[in-house]
Amino acid sequence: DAKTTQPTSMDCAEGRAANLPCNHSTISGNEYVYWYRQIHSQGPQYIIHGLKNNETNEMASLIITEDRKSSTLILPHATLRDTAVYYCIVRPFTGGGNKLTFGTGTQLKVEL
Amino acid sequence: GAGVSQSPSNKVTEKGKDVELRCDPISGHTALYWYRQSLGQGLEFLIYFQGNSAPDKSGLPSDRFSAERTGGSVSTLTIQRTQQEDSAVYLCASSKQVDSGQPQHFGDGTRLSIL
Repeated sequence: DAKTTQPTSMDCAEGRAANLPCNHSTISGNEYVYWYRQIHSQGPQYIIHGLKNNETNEMASLIITEDRKSSTLILPHATLRDTAVYYCIVRPFTGGGNKLTFGTGTQLKVEL
Repeated sequence: GAGVSQSPSNKVTEKGKDVELRCDPISGHTALYWYRQSLGQGLEFLIYFQGNSAPDKSGLPSDRFSAERTGGSVSTLTIQRTQQEDSAVYLCASSKQVDSGQPQHFGDGTRLSIL
């Protein structure tokens, strides 16, 4: 799977949009971008995934650059409960095997 | 609908005892995965099931670890003769199909502490 690079930590004021970047410059044509997060003492939570088009669901939006070498996860109105470690993963939609591997992720801290 | 359910949420046991961890996947998900996460560490993949079959057991740390799945639903991870290094959070995930790119959905894990 392609390697991803994320900032170690970010801060965001409550109510503001949190924009979490991810670099995946070696992404292949058959690889999707997935985002998970892990809140302290909970299991990882799937957020969103996409191939090349921007995606939006009830949790977040995913913006993927045209060359697909980077993406941004957007939490439109961050709350204190969004404080978590956010993981960006790149893996093939098929033939990618069954093991998820998380990097170090971005520790997002949402503050009042 | 209901998410992945794991029990117990916490387990404290003495070294040398056997433990059994349970995972109830999302209804209709044929793929089930076991991971463990040690304090401050990343995810360590243990085993996956497609239906009741576990094609790859190579991620299990030792022969003290075993897992089974019956009826294509509930799975049990058993650790025999527990050791202190087995202390970790054991996470279960499920997805609609194996190796399909479908996202894996996780339970909140069982926090296992070996005294």
